[in-house]
Amino acid sequence: DTGVSQNPRHKITKRGQNVTFRCDPISEHNRLYWYRQTLGQGPEFLTYFQNEAQLEKSRLLSDRFSAERPKGSFSTLEIQRTEQGDSAMYLCASSLAWQGLTGEQYFGPGTRLTVT
Amino acid sequence: GENVEQHPSTLSVQEGDSAVIKCTYSDSASNYFPWYKQELGKRPQLIIDIRSNVGEKKDQRIAVTLNKTAKHFSLHITETQPEDSAVYFCAGIQGAQKLVFGQGTRLTINP
Repeated sequence: DTGVSQNPRHKITKRGQNVTFRCDPISEHNRLYWYRQTLGQGPEFLTYFQNEAQLEKSRLLSDRFSAERPKGSFSTLEIQRTEQGDSAMYLCASSLAWQGLTGEQYFGPGTRLTVT
Repeated sequence: GENVEQHPSTLSVQEGDSAVIKCTYSDSASNYFPWYKQELGKRPQLIIDIRSNVGEKKDQRIAVTLNKTAKHFSLHITETQPEDSAVYFCAGIQGAQKLVFGQGTRLTINP
């Protein structure tokens, strides 16, 4: 499968615990995005990387959230001290930005987080 | 920032009929408008997109139209089939990077 992959697919954790999700983008894509989707809503932007540089973070991304893309390939999203309001589907997407043009964003299957 | 409004929130059509979903956007600088289909429990799937330098794009039974002056764009599905049932999201690009999504339209195709 050469598409975007995410692990784990499901995560159940207790409030206050830390969780980490991984995203592997399509191999030649230089941009990687994280979105959050709650039931019945469209995805909401959290942050994005161009290669290894994190270029933008949403105000939705509190200081409990951190994302990395250390080698410009896979990315991790960590949530510290989880809260019940963090329960959502966390989606990763990747694209190829070329000569300033916006590339199509392709989504992974998501990680569904449930905080109890 | 960009704001995308999508209508209707639910749409039910008879199999074989056409379905139209409409979106408006606020940022006149937006230049890329994709449409995603999301089946229950699955990832959003890109089905068609349009850039601001064209007014219409078609791919088999799916077409998208863009009116830059009015800042709205629409998804048209013809000859609908049961497998077209899903939630459809429109989106606009803000700052040439992040997608801003509409609220979604739940499309049901009745046999």
